[in-house]
This record gives sequence, C-alpha cells and structure tokens, in this order.
Amino acid sequence: EADIYQTPRYLVIGTGKKITLECSQTMGHDKMYWYQQDPGMELHLIHYSYGVNSTEKGDLSSESTVSRIRTEHFPLTLESARPSHTSQYLCASAPSTGDNSPLHFGNGTRLTVT
Amino acid sequence: GENVEQHPSTLSVQEGDSAVIKCTYSDSASNYFPWYKQELGKRPQLIIDIRSNVGEKKDQRIAVTLNKTAKHFSLHITETQPEDSAVYFCAASRLSNTGKLIFGQGTTLQVKP
Repeated sequence: EADIYQTPRYLVIGTGKKITLECSQTMGHDKMYWYQQDPGMELHLIHYSYGVNSTEKGDLSSESTVSRIRTEHFPLTLESARPSHTSQYLCASAPSTGDNSPLHFGNGTRLTVT
Repeated sequence: GENVEQHPSTLSVQEGDSAVIKCTYSDSASNYFPWYKQELGKRPQLIIDIRSNVGEKKDQRIAVTLNKTAKHFSLHITETQPEDSAVYFCAASRLSNTGKLIFGQGTTLQVKP
C-alpha cells in the first residue's frame, strides 16, 4: 500500500549519541518535509526538499541535517543528541503539482534523549 | 515572518452541539488553507481544505469559511460526536514550488457524550 513510513516509532537514547531517523514514501512524491512537534502542540517545519539533491532549512532552527539522495528516502540525522532534542518528529510528503497539495504524514518518531 | 494564529486552544462541547475554530494569517499572499485532525498518538490527517478563490466549502458535517480581506478562516463542525475529539490544526501556504505549510498552534476539541 502506498504510504509514508517512519522508523523507529520510539527511540530512547543517551546524550551525545548520533542518530538517524528514517523516512520513506512509496507514493512517488517529490516534496518531503520534516516537522518537529511536542505532543498535541504546534508543528514546526525544520527541513524540506523539492526533490533529489534538494534540501532547505525550515522556519525552526534545528541542529539536525537531512539528505535526499533518492526520491523516496529523506533521513534526518542528529550528530550529537541532547535532552533539548526530545520531541516527536513527523515526516510528510506531497506531490509536485502546479498547485498546492495536501501533506501526507508518517506516524512519527518519538525521540527521548536522556 | 509568516504567522498563523489559532483560537481557542481548547474547546469543550456537548455531543450534538456545533464547534467553531478560528485562524488568522499574516501573509496576504497565502492562498491555500488546509485543516488537519490529529487523534491522540496518531498522525495528522487532512479533513478539509480551501483555496483562495472560494469563500466556503462543505463536506458533510464539516465546513470551512475564508475571508481573504480580513485574513481569517474558520472550521465549523456541526452535530459533534465523541469521535470528533482530537487536536485540530489550521495551516496556510502560498502558491509556490515549496508547498511549505505554516501551522497554527492547534485546538484541542473535547466532545462530551
């Protein structure tokens, strides 16, 4: 089934560790996004991509980095996790049409940094 | 910068009553306004959207209205049911290649049976 998948669903990790949150979509979408969301709170855009080899920083300053080597894959990396990174990370995608299109979200990764 | 304000932050209604959530936006070039519903522990899902060439759109019990002059838009849910309980987010974006959405702060709706 065409969908957007995030792994892991939950992650507890110690301070200073390097982590990569995975996001893959099988819908053939060109646009992909990473949002940070504390439970039930506002979504903040941290990274986005128009397509392969295109990445941009979002509106919320983030110490994470992203890459887009393949259309379907948009991983997010934290080089050195800190307790302030504890949050939920939502990946989303949208088709690249001439008009705005709704975002399709993954189930999220809930990250806890101890 | 671009900003979307959403009110109220929490809303409690009795089953069968109507619920209204309001949003204002700052970027006058915004022309796409989706609404997302996020149930506890689940992903946000699109429930309705409206574009700037339309003033109102309805889908069964939910409707959205847009006032471009005042730069505000609202979500209306009629005949609320307990399964409508969730966090609702409004968002706005301008027509562009990025499709970047700016989200409101969210409204926690509780429908009491």
